Amino acid sequence: QVQLVESGGDLVKPGGALRLSCEASGFIFSDYYMSWIRQAPGKGLEWVAYISGRDNTIHYADSVKGRFTISRDNSKNSVYLQMSSLRAEDSAVYYCAREIPTAMVLDYWGLGTLVTVSS
Amino acid sequence: DIVMTQSPATLSVSPGERATLSCRASQSVSGNLAWYQQKPGQAPRLLIYGASTRATGVPTRFGGSGSGTEFTLTISSLQSEDFAIYYCQQYIDWPTFGQGTKVEIK
Repeated sequence: QVQLVESGGDLVKPGGALRLSCEASGFIFSDYYMSWIRQAPGKGLEWVAYISGRDNTIHYADSVKGRFTISRDNSKNSVYLQMSSLRAEDSAVYYCAREIPTAMVLDYWGLGTLVTVSS
Repeated sequence: DIVMTQSPATLSVSPGERATLSCRASQSVSGNLAWYQQKPGQAPRLLIYGASTRATGVPTRFGGSGSGTEFTLTISSLQSEDFAIYYCQQYIDWPTFGQGTKVEIK
């Protein structure tokens, strides 16, 4: 069965950095685009970034462009989100999710990891 | 970015009744529209994509319709496990979500 397990969330000060990880299992990882989605406490969903399966096609939300970097290691079935210059408004649960092959639609999600940016 | 607006914000429905949720796009997204269900403390679950195609394992009481800028999610007979928040998402452009509709027990 498909499983996505995020880790790396923490309390960090404004201006700080953090690296999130997501380990996947139960499917051929390199066949799929992967994404990071975030949800601030009590708020809606925001697509943060995506990365293609093999050719490193990458795209970011304007709100994180230049500060966040998505990457993947297909040998480790893992996708990462390196976050820097963190702001209070980056505080959220960060979900790793798999896209369906034909569209930017997310069919499997992890349970999320909480990032809190506060002094 | 395309703005997705959902209505109502909260829908109070009795178990067994029909629920109709709306989603409007600020510009046409054709049929590139998905619906997700989220329960407290859980990740979202994909229900519908392509405006009307049910995802694997989604009960037939969930139905999606619409195209262009107006979309509807219908739950034909609400079950206890259906009380949740529902989000629409467009994917014709950089993907954006609506703010959600909370379906609560009346």
